[in-house]
Amino acid sequence: SQELEQSPQSLIVQEGKNLTINCTSSKTLYGLYWYKQKYGEGLIFLMMLQKGGEEKSHEKITAKLDEKKQQSSLHITASQPSHAGIYLCGADIGAQKLVFGQGTRLTINP
Amino acid sequence: GAGVSQSPRYKVAKRGQDVALRCDPISGHVSLFWYQQALGQGPEFLTYFQNEAQLDKSGLPSDRFFAERPEGSVSTLKIQRTQQEDSAVYLCASSYGGRKGYTFGSGTRLTVV
Repeated sequence: SQELEQSPQSLIVQEGKNLTINCTSSKTLYGLYWYKQKYGEGLIFLMMLQKGGEEKSHEKITAKLDEKKQQSSLHITASQPSHAGIYLCGADIGAQKLVFGQGTRLTINP
Repeated sequence: GAGVSQSPRYKVAKRGQDVALRCDPISGHVSLFWYQQALGQGPEFLTYFQNEAQLDKSGLPSDRFFAERPEGSVSTLKIQRTQQEDSAVYLCASSYGGRKGYTFGSGTRLTVV
């Protein structure tokens, strides 16, 4: 969706390194969802952020939503092969549906 | 059920054939969404139901696409006279509504040959 820009589109990192994926909206977000997708499969829910300045963590993954609620980042610490996949941000922009970014394909090299 | 169930998991259709894709949402989920995901792209919204009412079908790409949810539970996405550009993964999601989170199914991969 042009309403949601996700970067980078592709990311290759060495195992153990940290990485960040960004998601920027042209509109104020009512909610921001992060999903992970294995090739050809469904979306696995990671985290949901709703409040400006909110930050959530699960295991080695941290997601933040900025104060203006237009930008979110997903940070992975000490990446592992199990983190490989496609990461998608989905935004609730008040239209009773999610709009998605193009996705970030993450590859972890041993 | 424990999650959103979609069937079939894979579907190969000859060009011009009609197909029907099924979505069984989580019990009690009021809202149901269909998305289309082309290879290498993010999911694109197709249509949205609240119970049995189709409240938004702005994303359906043509009149060959039709969705229904007659009893407010199971939904079917039908594509008539399939074309090669219809090849994609079709994802279904459901939620309680009111921005309470969305659960996605595993999708149906449609290949039109």
